[in-house]
Amino acid sequence: QQQVKQSPQSLIVQKGGISIINCAYENTAFDYFPWYQQFPGKGPALLIAIRPDVSEKKEGRFTISFNKSAKQFSLHIMDSQPGDSATYFCAASGAGANNLFFGTGTRLTVIP
Amino acid sequence: NAGVMQNPRHLVRRRGQEARLRCSPMKGHSHVYWYRQLPEEGLKFMVYLQKENIIDESGMPKERFSAEFPKEGPSILRIQQVVRGDSAAYFCASSPGRAVGEQFFGPGTRLTVL
Repeated sequence: QQQVKQSPQSLIVQKGGISIINCAYENTAFDYFPWYQQFPGKGPALLIAIRPDVSEKKEGRFTISFNKSAKQFSLHIMDSQPGDSATYFCAASGAGANNLFFGTGTRLTVIP
Repeated sequence: NAGVMQNPRHLVRRRGQEARLRCSPMKGHSHVYWYRQLPEEGLKFMVYLQKENIIDESGMPKERFSAEFPKEGPSILRIQQVVRGDSAAYFCASSPGRAVGEQFFGPGTRLTVL
């Protein structure tokens, strides 16, 4: 059972464009929603994270939008650059949980 | 400050052999997590350990898989009698405390079972 559903599976964006990746969850006990960036041959690296007490969090070109009622959250990458080409994973976890539940990943390609 | 170290980075085993994957957490981190990533899938939790204790092994297959984190030395994920379905990338993460938000991931070990 996939606790966190992620879409799209792959995404191609022109340089300078906006990349949008969406995730949905079912477990209302989740209270921590991070996004990870993974380059080929590397481990996932935390990019940005949000808790449900806010609807949006921005760090540089990366923004998380969170919709608690819809149980959805998304990652927006503004002014996408070729160096952003990577696989992005959303994840979720709940209070007292020992682990993160990951989405299936989105392979982003930013073309010059 | 070195990050999480995993070795080997690549491991090839034949069916029926044993695989041992090692993870050295970041300095000052006493919590270790193992995740498995199958091709084209997200990471799936396997086990959470603190020094000398298994805290949560709810994601570990019931047979052939074991993990330890001794008082001295790295954490080890051991897979006995490997099968082709064990081929995956195995990632270790460490944290200074129990908060999942503080997990830092290693580069992974890519296991190929022939």
